[in-house]
Amino acid sequence: GAVVSQHPSRVICKSGTSVKIECRSLDFQATTMFWYRQFPKKSLMLMATSNEGSKATYEQGVEKDKFLINHASLTLSTLTVTSAHPEDSSFYICSARQGFLNTEAFFGQGTRLTVV
Amino acid sequence: AQTVTQSQPEMSVQEAETVTLSCTYDTSESDYYLFWYKQPPSRQMILVIRQEAYKQQNATENRFSVNFQKAAKSFSLKISDSQLGDAAMYFCAYRSGLRTSGSRLTFGEGTQLTVNP
Repeated sequence: GAVVSQHPSRVICKSGTSVKIECRSLDFQATTMFWYRQFPKKSLMLMATSNEGSKATYEQGVEKDKFLINHASLTLSTLTVTSAHPEDSSFYICSARQGFLNTEAFFGQGTRLTVV
Repeated sequence: AQTVTQSQPEMSVQEAETVTLSCTYDTSESDYYLFWYKQPPSRQMILVIRQEAYKQQNATENRFSVNFQKAAKSFSLKISDSQLGDAAMYFCAYRSGLRTSGSRLTFGEGTQLTVNP
């Protein structure tokens, strides 16, 4: 299957700072990318959907000013957690899809964010 | 809105035995896709099997097969000849066939599978 690379795999940041997570599709062009948040032993919660070159669509309850998503190219989407707080600590996962007709979404390895 | 329910938070199976994980979903749509994903301790999401709603034949991938009951909105996963490497969290997921849905996945709560040697 296609490869989606997410970086970094782990990051620790101080409260009040911002941290950027990258999601890259290595061998295909991702017209759509998704960002999820996962709490321990819980399911994946969709945060937002981003399409290349347009603004992301955020799920209800997700603060768009806090979780900035940019999908500037067909192979890269970024999630920036701004003014991070300890409650933002979580596991963040991205996935990418090549096109609507392609039913499979490929997942990145995830990023463990710890805010201290 | 579509919902996906996995009623078994935890399951266990003996190595080489067969186990079935349950999943039900609720939708008013006729065109959709269903998936089972595996998330091992590494947290990497791995697609196990997928089923198109318009197909009557149950999908099969080696030791993994599904029992898709469209009228009952049920989509169970059977793992045959269980192996230690099958131990993971398993998520059932739904995807609408409508373009307006944005091709998002809706996940169930997950079932933690333990394989005992």
